Amino acid sequence: AQSVTQLGSHVSVSEGALVLLRCNYSSSVPPYLFWYVQYPNQGLQLLLKYTSAATLVKGINGFEAEFKKSETSFHLTKPSAHMSDAAEYFCAVSETNFGNEKLTFGTGTRLTIIP
Amino acid sequence: DAGVIQSPRHEVTEMGQEVTLRCKPISGHDYLFWYRQTMMRGLELLIYFNNNVPIDDSGMPEDRFSAKMPNASFSTLKIQPSEPRDSAVYFCASRKAGEYNEQFFGPGTRLTVL
Repeated sequence: AQSVTQLGSHVSVSEGALVLLRCNYSSSVPPYLFWYVQYPNQGLQLLLKYTSAATLVKGINGFEAEFKKSETSFHLTKPSAHMSDAAEYFCAVSETNFGNEKLTFGTGTRLTIIP
Repeated sequence: DAGVIQSPRHEVTEMGQEVTLRCKPISGHDYLFWYRQTMMRGLELLIYFNNNVPIDDSGMPEDRFSAKMPNASFSTLKIQPSEPRDSAVYFCASRKAGEYNEQFFGPGTRLTVL
């Protein structure tokens, strides 16, 4: 069975500061991992995904995430926060074995940017 | 290309009424997923289809909920009768087989049951 834990339901950072959103996963097989972003009153939009190629994955809007198998982590970072980054962020895991098509989502982290 | 299309975007109804939510997946996608999002329970998978066939409906909360996919370009989620606790945002998502399980989400339908 797969699961995702996002530490911190709310994170606040100052504009220009480092953004770090934490995600730990559990999976019985090598996983696919995703970060989605949800802006107010919108659907979820893919930020980036890990598909067993490079462990450091770059996404849209300057975000990146590093897959660390030993720590079962896939934390999301951005060097310098922008006001437009304020949103809710979801980490998700999917198993790579055939027949498992579901994504399991974390509970989300709401990111607030302080001017 | 058009993304996932959902209608209506907002629905307000009274308890006991039937509600039908609609979804058009991205053309060529083989899988379709229905989710519900609430503050209390977060994002929950209700049901998903592969090639128009329901694969897993274990997330459907009650018999009041039903979903159909009559063809590759259309799906409905029906609630009959609706209750106030069904108030939520309902998302539809689709994906193509073999694409690393990446799902594309629609804008959602905000349902309010009075």
